[in-house]
Amino acid sequence: GAVVSQHPSWVICKSGTSVKIECRSLDFQATTMFWYRQFPKQSLMLMATSNEGSKATYEQGVEKDKFLINHASLTLSTLTVTSAHPEDSSFYICSARDLTSGETQYFGPGTRLLVL
Amino acid sequence: QKEVEQNSGPLSVPEGAIASLNCTYSDRGSQSFFWYRQYSGKSPELIMFIYSNGDKEDGRFTAQLNKASQYVSLLIRDSQPSDSATYLCAVNIYNQGGKLIFGQGTELSVKP
Repeated sequence: GAVVSQHPSWVICKSGTSVKIECRSLDFQATTMFWYRQFPKQSLMLMATSNEGSKATYEQGVEKDKFLINHASLTLSTLTVTSAHPEDSSFYICSARDLTSGETQYFGPGTRLLVL
Repeated sequence: QKEVEQNSGPLSVPEGAIASLNCTYSDRGSQSFFWYRQYSGKSPELIMFIYSNGDKEDGRFTAQLNKASQYVSLLIRDSQPSDSATYLCAVNIYNQGGKLIFGQGTELSVKP
């Protein structure tokens, strides 16, 4: 089946620093990837849609200047959390859409971010 | 009305029983329907998807879709304690750029 990886799986950083998270589709090309955030005991929240070669589309209430998304190739999207603060601590999960299997989204394993 | 609704549970079933998870959706433009399983602390993993009315079976899992009633369900036969997780129903709506609309998830607990 389709495999999506994320790196790093865990990151701890100081307040004010920037953190980059990578999302890769390993065995298929993904023109579209999605970034989600999930707080403990809560539902997935879609942050943005990342389209290869174009600007990301952000959901309402998500600051595009704080969460920078780059989808430079058909297998890689990155999310950079700029000037991270403790309230940005969360579980960040990406997914990639595989058009060869009916637009199914496959999720990466997620990245836990802890901002001290 | 939420676009995709699920009972949050928890739904508790004994080992070996059939677990029935239900999901309703509001947009008749919905085209494809997905069930994901999410273990605590992990990311969602795809169980199966369904596009056409009727049943679709994969091992112990059966997805059922009724577009007239705007209803999709997941049956888990011979439930095992390892099936204990949160089950997410997701809907792909036409012309939404491939976004999935998720329900809030149903927590399933299978008791040995």
